Amino acid sequence: QVQLQESSPGLVKPSQTLSLTCTVSGGSIISTNYYWSWIRQPAGKGLEWIGHIYTSGNTNYNPSLKSRVTISVDTSKNQFSLKLSSATAADAAVYYCARGAPNWGRGYYFDSWGQGALVTVSS
Amino acid sequence: QSVLTQPPSVSGAPGQRVTISCTGSSSNIGAGYDVHWYQRLPGTAPKLLIYRNSNRPSGVPDRFSGSKSGTSASLAITGLQAEDEADYYCQSYDSSLSAYVFGSGTEVTVL
Repeated sequence: QVQLQESSPGLVKPSQTLSLTCTVSGGSIISTNYYWSWIRQPAGKGLEWIGHIYTSGNTNYNPSLKSRVTISVDTSKNQFSLKLSSATAADAAVYYCARGAPNWGRGYYFDSWGQGALVTVSS
Repeated sequence: QSVLTQPPSVSGAPGQRVTISCTGSSSNIGAGYDVHWYQRLPGTAPKLLIYRNSNRPSGVPDRFSGSKSGTSASLAITGLQAEDEADYYCQSYDSSLSAYVFGSGTEVTVL
């Protein structure tokens, strides 16, 4: 049973880069074809898909965030990471990492989620 | 503003049946993209409840069922139990946005 756990500094200053890491346990991040994803939920708002990194290393980002997002993977640590540059108050949210399971060539669904990490953007 | 629209809340007495709608458009559900459902119990991570419109992962009770028609999908909970109190979200893909999208979320209350 794969498990995901986010880690983050919790507080980020405006204009700085927001960084989170997701540690995957119970399975190798490169052993099977999954989409390792980031999703966020600002307080009082809905869930927003940020992007993913595929097992091959290919990435795909939400166009609304694409200019500021980088998702990378560290296979030696079985982790993947999110960096969101030029943070503003609008980026304050609970950030989830999740595993995307392929859906018969029609995208994917999230079959495992982390508990979520709260990120505050404030000076 | 979520791309997929859900009612903010639904409620029912124990044992009753409740349904949650998820309304999309011609660029997501109506375009043939599958709908998936998640349950988030208070203080826990979201959990996959239904995938590919109507399929239940192992361990999900058969009280939960999903369907899809046209530009909408529905999640039904039959034999409502106290432990079903949670937030429920639908998810699909939107070709106009080139992004995976979620519903606004529905809070289920057991009276």
